[in-house]
Amino acid sequence: DVKVTQSSRYLVKRTGEKVFLECVQDMDHENMFWYRQDPGLGLRLIYFSYDVKMKEKGDIPEGYSVSREKKERFSLILESASTNQTSMYLCASSQTSGGEAYGYTFGSGTRLTVV
Amino acid sequence: GQQVMQIPQYQHVQEGEDFTTYCNSSTTLSNIQWYKQRPGGHPVFLIQLVKSGEVKKQKRLTFQFGEAKKNSSLHITATQTTDVGTYFCAGPKTTDSWGKLQFGAGTQVVVTP
Repeated sequence: DVKVTQSSRYLVKRTGEKVFLECVQDMDHENMFWYRQDPGLGLRLIYFSYDVKMKEKGDIPEGYSVSREKKERFSLILESASTNQTSMYLCASSQTSGGEAYGYTFGSGTRLTVV
Repeated sequence: GQQVMQIPQYQHVQEGEDFTTYCNSSTTLSNIQWYKQRPGGHPVFLIQLVKSGEVKKQKRLTFQFGEAKKNSSLHITATQTTDVGTYFCAGPKTTDSWGKLQFGAGTQVVVTP
């Protein structure tokens, strides 16, 4: 069964800490995404990557950075965690063909609490 | 910019009843996708519609893509408690070809036994 694996299900960090969220997919997908999901705000795209070492900002990139050194791994970095970054973080991967987007496979999510 | 709107935001359904949730885009979409997120879970891909007027069925779920490719609907017949969750529609963002999707806010479905 194809999988997107996020390293932590729950995480509690202190304000100002540098936080790393890891995501690994085993489907050889080109595209990988990081979303955050908050009640009433739906799914908001933070960053995405369409190839190794390639990244582009999504709708809410402020306070975040990403790294994709290998095709299967996409990391989200909170440079200095703040309480307003308390959220559910979802990683996803997908394939494209001829410019068309195929369905996303999501990881189980990381619920991050910043105190 | 492109917007994907879903109505209703909440849907309370008696077990055994039918209901429909709707998805409307401000722009024409090349395809529309539907996802389901169970409480405490993550979104799971259900289906993708590509053709104008396309209708696809998955057991008690019927998905339709509008003729103008700007709207879609999900109809569930004989609702069961297993249908509880939030249903999202999503369409490709128009300005790129890298597979970015614009998600609707979702319809949260609660089923009363």
